[in-house]
Amino acid sequence: DQQVKQNSPSLSVQEGRISILNCDYTNSMFDYFLWYKKYPAEGPTFLISISSIKDKNEDGRFTVFLNKSAKHLSLHIVPSQPGDSAVYFCAARDFGNEKLTFGTGTRLTIIP
Amino acid sequence: GAGVSQTPSNKVTEKGKYVELRCDPISGHTALYWYRQSLGQGPEFLIYFQGTGAADDSGLPNDRFFAVRPEGSVSTLKIQRTERGDSAVYLCASSLTGGMGETQYFGPGTRLLVL
Repeated sequence: DQQVKQNSPSLSVQEGRISILNCDYTNSMFDYFLWYKKYPAEGPTFLISISSIKDKNEDGRFTVFLNKSAKHLSLHIVPSQPGDSAVYFCAARDFGNEKLTFGTGTRLTIIP
Repeated sequence: GAGVSQTPSNKVTEKGKYVELRCDPISGHTALYWYRQSLGQGPEFLIYFQGTGAADDSGLPNDRFFAVRPEGSVSTLKIQRTERGDSAVYLCASSLTGGMGETQYFGPGTRLLVL
């Protein structure tokens, strides 16, 4: 049972445009959400997070939106840059539980 | 400062053999996590240490898998009687205390191939 789902395995976006990566979850106990970025042969790198008490968190070019009623979150990157090309993982944790539950990832390719 | 390091970076073994994978967390981090990433999947939780003790080992797939952290720093993941299905990238992460909202910092992983 996949509790965190990233339904788009890949996404291509032109440099300078907005990249939107989506994530859905099924476990209503999740209350903290994270996005990680992964380059080949490296471990995942933390990008941005959001608590369930918020609906938006912004950090520079990266914004995460959370829609609790729809159990959906998205990561917006604007403007997209070639260095943003990587695999992006959505992850979630529930209160009192230390482990992260990851989605299957979306490979983002920024086209120069 | 140094990040999370893992050794070896690659390990090839034969079915039935025993392997040990090592993780050096960020200095001072009391929380340590092991995850496994199979091809085309996201990382999957295996075990979480708080200090020397395993606080949550619910992700270990079976009793062939065992992990230790005897001095609260370095951790070793041990796999007995390896099977081809154990082939994956094994990722280690650490965080300062394991509290909610803390970032888990990942190492580069050990790529295990069981022939």
